[in-house]
Amino acid sequence: GQNIDQPTEMTATEGAIVQINCTYQTSGFNGLFWYQQHAGEAPTFLSYNVLDGLEEKGRFSSFLSRSKGYSYLLLKELQMKDSASYLCAVRGRTGGGNKLTFGTGTQLKVEL
Amino acid sequence: DGGITQSPKYLFRKEGQNVTLSCEQNLNHDAMYWYRQDPGQGLRLIYYSQIVNDFQKGDIAEGYSVSREKKESFPLTVTSAQKNPTAFYLCASLPRTENTGELFFGEGSRLTVL
Repeated sequence: GQNIDQPTEMTATEGAIVQINCTYQTSGFNGLFWYQQHAGEAPTFLSYNVLDGLEEKGRFSSFLSRSKGYSYLLLKELQMKDSASYLCAVRGRTGGGNKLTFGTGTQLKVEL
Repeated sequence: DGGITQSPKYLFRKEGQNVTLSCEQNLNHDAMYWYRQDPGQGLRLIYYSQIVNDFQKGDIAEGYSVSREKKESFPLTVTSAQKNPTAFYLCASLPRTENTGELFFGEGSRLTVL
C-alpha cells in the first residue's frame, strides 16, 4: 500500500517563501506529483519528480529524495492567488495503471 | 479545444436512487479515472480504465459501477448501495504513452444526497 503525509494547514505572508513538505511510504515508486487545487475546482498540475533533486518552474520548485521518501514544494514571491490546497501524489509501480495516490492536501493561506 | 467534460456540475439525489455522472474527453487519451473527494480530504480512486471495454476497481469501488464502451466516455454510476455518496467527483484522463503521467482533470461534479 501507500501512505502519504503532509501538513493540514499553513499560513504565509504575501511576498514571502513557503515550503510544503510531503513524506511517503510506498510499495513501489514511479514518480511524485504536486497539484494545486482552489476551492470547488479541479486540481491543476504543478510539478513532477522521478529522480532525486530539484525541479524549478518559475516561482515554484519541487524537490525529491527517494531514499528518504521525502519531497517538498517551494513557493517563492507568494501572491494572494496562491491561497489554495496543495496536493502531493505518488505514482506506484510501472504497470499498475499509472494510478496516483493523493495525500490529504495542505491548505495554504496567504495573508497581507 | 481538447479537454474533459463532466456533467452535471451539480446534482441532487434522493436516498435510494441511482445516479450517473458523465465524463467525456476528446484528448484521445487511453486511460481514464474516477476520483472522489470529501471536504478536507485528498482524492480517492474509485475506478479506472486503461483501454476500451476494460476497467479495474480502485480503492473505494463499493457502491459504484462504470462502463467503457467508447474511448471518449467513462460514465460513473453511484448506486443506492453507496452509503455516503455526497461528495465531489472528479474524472481524469492520461495518454497511455505519456511519460510524466500528468493527469488531466475535468471540472468535477458535486453530488448531494438529500
